[in-house]
Amino acid sequence: DAGVIQSPRHEVTEMGQEVTLRCKPISGHNSLFWYRQTMMRGLELLIYFNNNVPIDDSGMPEDRFSAKMPNASFSTLKIQPSEPRDSAVYFCASSPWDSSSSYNEQFFGPGTRLTVL
Amino acid sequence: AQSVAQPEDQVNVAEGNPLTVKCTYSVSGNPYLFWYVQYPNRGLQFLLKYITGDNLVKGSYGFEAEFNKSQTSFHLKKPSALVSDSALYFCAVRDGDNYGQNFVFGPGTRLSVLP
Repeated sequence: DAGVIQSPRHEVTEMGQEVTLRCKPISGHNSLFWYRQTMMRGLELLIYFNNNVPIDDSGMPEDRFSAKMPNASFSTLKIQPSEPRDSAVYFCASSPWDSSSSYNEQFFGPGTRLTVL
Repeated sequence: AQSVAQPEDQVNVAEGNPLTVKCTYSVSGNPYLFWYVQYPNRGLQFLLKYITGDNLVKGSYGFEAEFNKSQTSFHLKKPSALVSDSALYFCAVRDGDNYGQNFVFGPGTRLSVLP
């Protein structure tokens, strides 16, 4: 099992540029989560999808952030335009889900370390 | 609303000694509780979870956790710490009576095991 795959692992960009982070969940998992981790704010849930549908995006900081899941095996998180305060590690996680259970653990990818200069 | 507290930012323990990382939670329904570990430059890894049944849960790498409903706690323990256990540990809770998918993670506790 390849686990959750994220790319790129590191991204350095300049303020104002567009950044796209990518995630491939574990095959068969139908929930996908995007998190952001910083020293100041810890681990924050940005958005999650069930069966490719966004369920809760209340954690998305502002309109500069957008996320899509066009199919069950791929998701993107886009920041446009990027700002230095967006510098963080962004994690994607996936888990199996059905309407009768909420006890499944999440499996995390290795993260993308984003630096905005 | 659900919440998780990890009262210690940092825990130091000598190798071979028992370790405890504390977690308390607040949730309106039945708590589903989880522990994750994060090694440097890695994603979070699942250690163990409590859903129902025996209050003592055993997980990966010799870790265990005890669910205490009256104290709303779910402390992580290990009888004999290893230097390789040094990492960042996160407690998380989900409301088992709410089919929403949100975990709430605690702020994390950094464990340092000293040789």
